[in-house]
Amino acid sequence: DGGITQSPKYLFRKEGQNVTLSCEQNLNHDAMYWYRQDPGQGLRLIYYSQIVNDFQKGDIAEGYSVSREKKESFPLTVTSAQKNPTAFYLCASSIDVSGIYNEQFFGPGTRLTVL
Amino acid sequence: KNQVEQSPQSLIILEGKNCTLQCNYTVSPFSNLRWYKQDTGRGPVSLTIMTFSENTKSNGRYTATLDADTKQSSLHITASQLSDSASYICVVSANKLSFGAGTTVTVRA
Repeated sequence: DGGITQSPKYLFRKEGQNVTLSCEQNLNHDAMYWYRQDPGQGLRLIYYSQIVNDFQKGDIAEGYSVSREKKESFPLTVTSAQKNPTAFYLCASSIDVSGIYNEQFFGPGTRLTVL
Repeated sequence: KNQVEQSPQSLIILEGKNCTLQCNYTVSPFSNLRWYKQDTGRGPVSLTIMTFSENTKSNGRYTATLDADTKQSSLHITASQLSDSASYICVVSANKLSFGAGTTVTVRA
């Protein structure tokens, strides 16, 4: 059963805590992405990775960190430096980052709430 | 200013009726345009993809059009069903992906 999974589905964080969101894919895609979705706004790119052990900042990377130690996994850490982390987080993957092969397949999302 | 503008922001239609969603973009150089459907609390799922040379593409009751000259696209939903209730997102690919804010469609019985 191929696809992209995210866990947990819901996550609650206290002020000052770091939390890590999991993203796994078995589509053999090279590229992976993290987006943040807020009501009334388009998806905003946090980080992306074109290949293992390499990743690039997106438009709103401040307060977030990622790693790409394995092709299948791209975890996102929301640090205490992120001032407004409550949002719906989406992970995606694609064969490549450019051209027609950049069609992204999305995971089911993680809703993070700061208490 | 967002480079991908979608309208309307939301709409309500009766089951069985048709509706059309609009997407205007300013990004360039244009590579392709996709429409995604996103159910509440779920990840987006691709409906259609169109390249520069294509001006229409269908996926069941969904038909997307593209006018690359005017930089406009539309998504037409025919004979709407309750399951069509979702947010529809227009995504334009240039040097990077640009996402519209989406149109929320509510289908009522």
